[in-house]
Amino acid sequence: QSVLTQPPSVSGAPGQRVTISCTGSSSNLGPNYDFHWYQHLPGTAPKLLIYANSNRPSGVPDRFSGSKSGTSASLVIAGLQTDDEADYYCQSFDSSLSAPYVFGGGTKVTVL
Amino acid sequence: EVQLVQSGGGLVRPGESLRLSCAGSDFTFSAYTFNWVRQVPGGGLEWISSITSFGKMIIHADSVRGRFTTSRDNAEASVYLQMTSLRADDTGVYFCARKAISSRYFDSWGQGALVTVSS
Repeated sequence: QSVLTQPPSVSGAPGQRVTISCTGSSSNLGPNYDFHWYQHLPGTAPKLLIYANSNRPSGVPDRFSGSKSGTSASLVIAGLQTDDEADYYCQSFDSSLSAPYVFGGGTKVTVL
Repeated sequence: EVQLVQSGGGLVRPGESLRLSCAGSDFTFSAYTFNWVRQVPGGGLEWISSITSFGKMIIHADSVRGRFTTSRDNAEASVYLQMTSLRADDTGVYFCARKAISSRYFDSWGQGALVTVSS
């Protein structure tokens, strides 16, 4: 069971907006820990999408946005495109050190 | 352009060993902490190990500790994952991932290496 909980799937029509939630369940995820998001198409390398809750690396469209509240975070994809169909993972840091980098279980985004 | 190119992987029998490699280019390799992350079939991403810039600190997930060893050679700009006593549940795609400096996220990933453990 992941320390971070994501919905298994979300879907939307092209042009719509979808939101993926990521909820922390461990007392080790303090309010000062950031959330990060990755996009993963099977057979390829995961790609950093959002870092430190709401920052986009160079080249990531502004259709992707992130936010954080306490030990939870959200990724919003606005203006959904067919290319957005992929798996999305949130990630944070767990101070336990036995597994310091924790991922959510992943959310499959389907473009209808 | 930052590149992480992985090699190794393949089909092995339970109990056997395998070594994965990850070679970096177009950046100062020795400045970065590297991690290994795997994805088991039908599952999500799982962090399994981390090695700091000069290898002074190496940690492994409980699921692989004592069986997997992580190392690096900065002169070769490479990081390695030596896997021993492999089990069927180690089957998956293994990624190397570069940790952003002074941060706790992974800003560049290798293309992945498929490891299949089956008799």
